[in-house]
Amino acid sequence: IAGITQAPTSQILAAGRRMTLRCTQDMRHNAMYWYRQDLGLGLRLIHYSNTAGTTGKGEVPDGYSVSRANTDDFPLTLASAVPSQTSVYFCASSDSPGSRTEAFFGQGTRLTVV
Amino acid sequence: AQKVTQAQTEISVVEKEDVTLDCVYETRDTTYYLFWYKQPPSGELVFLIRRNSFDEQNEISGRYSWNFQKSTSSFNFTITASQVVDSAVYFCALSERRTSGSRLTFGEGTQLTVNP
Repeated sequence: IAGITQAPTSQILAAGRRMTLRCTQDMRHNAMYWYRQDLGLGLRLIHYSNTAGTTGKGEVPDGYSVSRANTDDFPLTLASAVPSQTSVYFCASSDSPGSRTEAFFGQGTRLTVV
Repeated sequence: AQKVTQAQTEISVVEKEDVTLDCVYETRDTTYYLFWYKQPPSGELVFLIRRNSFDEQNEISGRYSWNFQKSTSSFNFTITASQVVDSAVYFCALSERRTSGSRLTFGEGTQLTVNP
């Protein structure tokens, strides 16, 4: 059972370039999330999707976009990368959008924008 | 808005010591859930526990125990007889039923180092 798969594992990206981080889950979870992890700040929510076809903005959405065409995939796109987007990105999913369900996380994507 | 504070940035202990990780939260919702996650050096996030706002019973799982006190808005995590394998970053997190579904607000994390 794979759970949540993120790709790539790591990437060095030139500033100004476009980049899509991929996230696929095989648990048929309805809700999916993107977080970024920065030292001293914990994890912060970028975007979320409660169900296929819907998305919403989290705490730090600027510079990022997402889509949810189906249940399994939730890609995160940086339209024009900037150095402040250097971070570790985690995709997560939960069985339902309800607050009582725990989220399961992918292994993370380490992105460096230079 | 909800907020989670983990005031201890780093803790270092010697193996077999007990250690408590503090978590204080803020929320306006009456129904909410608290979580602890572990992030070992390999980087993945591992779910440890979920506690709802109506259940203030403490919980013990092996060497791990959790103390939830609504009166002080705290959800502290204690590791008894710590081991080197407990070395990790530990995150406390909150979700509110009213506003955020299972979208989590995380604390800053506490880096625990257990020395042999």
